[in-house]
Amino acid sequence: AQSVTQLGSHVSVSEGALVLLRCNYSSSVPPYLFWYVQYPNQGLQLLLKYTSAATLVKGINGFEAEFKKSETSFHLTKPSAHMSDAAEYFCAVRGGGGADGLTFGKGTHLIIQP
Amino acid sequence: EAGVAQSPRYKIIEKRQSVAFWCNPISGHATLYWYQQILGQGPKLLIQFQNNGVVDDSQLPKDRFSAERLKGVDSTLKIQPAKLEDSAVYLCASSLDAGYYGYTFGSGTRLTVV
Repeated sequence: AQSVTQLGSHVSVSEGALVLLRCNYSSSVPPYLFWYVQYPNQGLQLLLKYTSAATLVKGINGFEAEFKKSETSFHLTKPSAHMSDAAEYFCAVRGGGGADGLTFGKGTHLIIQP
Repeated sequence: EAGVAQSPRYKIIEKRQSVAFWCNPISGHATLYWYQQILGQGPKLLIQFQNNGVVDDSQLPKDRFSAERLKGVDSTLKIQPAKLEDSAVYLCASSLDAGYYGYTFGSGTRLTVV
């Protein structure tokens, strides 16, 4: 069965600093992995996805993630944080909660300090 | 292209009342999902439709929740009777290709049961 663990319910970084949000997955099949961002009172917006092509995936707003099979990880990074990055971030794996729906982690709240 | 439309955006009801949520997916998307997102948690898949058939509803509390997708387009999720613990955001998502390349989420309906 598929599952996702996000380490750290809250992460605080200074504006301009590196953002690192951690995600580890468990999957019985080659995983399809996703990162979504959620701003207050809004739905989920896709940041990037891994679908078994390149292991380094580039997404929107300067975010990227690297798929590491040996570590079962898919951590999200951004070189320089911006105030507008403050939001809730969810890592998800396809399958597990249904035939091919997404199984989400509990989310990480990213706080940007001025 | 137009996104996934959901209505209403907000709903407040008393416990034991009934409520219904509506979702209109992206045109041509055969797969439709309903998720429940309780405050502070990641979304949890409730039910998945492929066209107008149910693919998976293993996490749907069938004693009080029901969903339908007539004609394989719009979908309605109903709760009857509502409980306090049903307070959550209900998200609808659709996919062209069973999620292989991504899912598009609506803005959600925030339900408060008092």
